[in-house]
Amino acid sequence: ETGVTQTPRHLVMGMTNKKSLKCEQHLGHNAMYWYKQSAKKPLELMFVYNFKEQTENNSVPSRFSPECPNSSHLFLHLHTLQPEDSALYLCASSQVTGEGYTFGSGTRLTVV
Amino acid sequence: GQQLNQSPQSMFIQEGEDVSMNCTSSSIFNTWLWYKQDPGEGPVLLIALYKAGELTSNGRLTAQFGITRKDSFLNISASIPSDVGIYFCAGQAGTYKYIFGTGTRLKVLA
Repeated sequence: ETGVTQTPRHLVMGMTNKKSLKCEQHLGHNAMYWYKQSAKKPLELMFVYNFKEQTENNSVPSRFSPECPNSSHLFLHLHTLQPEDSALYLCASSQVTGEGYTFGSGTRLTVV
Repeated sequence: GQQLNQSPQSMFIQEGEDVSMNCTSSSIFNTWLWYKQDPGEGPVLLIALYKAGELTSNGRLTAQFGITRKDSFLNISASIPSDVGIYFCAGQAGTYKYIFGTGTRLKVLA
């Protein structure tokens, strides 16, 4: 495996369900990110982790709970989501500031 | 807050034509990035710009970092059908943090 891998690619969940998104990077990067991409809106930064420590929480509702057990893995735990949370959730990683991100293919989430 | 405005929002062009798009902001950025996103995939980095006035090419793509550091431009020469997708600019807003534009959706007519 190379690059940034996200699983699952597609997820449909009810508003009372609990699910988790997984991201794994094989690039030796030390920072990982969660972004939300909704139709006709800019990419929204949700969380930033630098060397496993959360360095930014961009006013994300508590129904989204991130976890970063090590520099290679990032999770997004979901519970009691709303239909408006349906979006493409993108994970990214980077080595050092200024070099840009490498994105995964995303998880297409639909909340019903 | 910081915002990046991309124009045009979408465009249809004929295969073989050159394409130009731009990204503007009211804020100064020290780094500009251009990404392309294919349907169902994550964005892929095309070009990174680190210095005001810098002009950088990647194959048929050329991007420029504006002198004012508040804008950037992307040109695609001799477009082909696989150029279809959404092109995003991004400006570095802080350590490990980038602000993304709203995207330019490109459709190429064969």
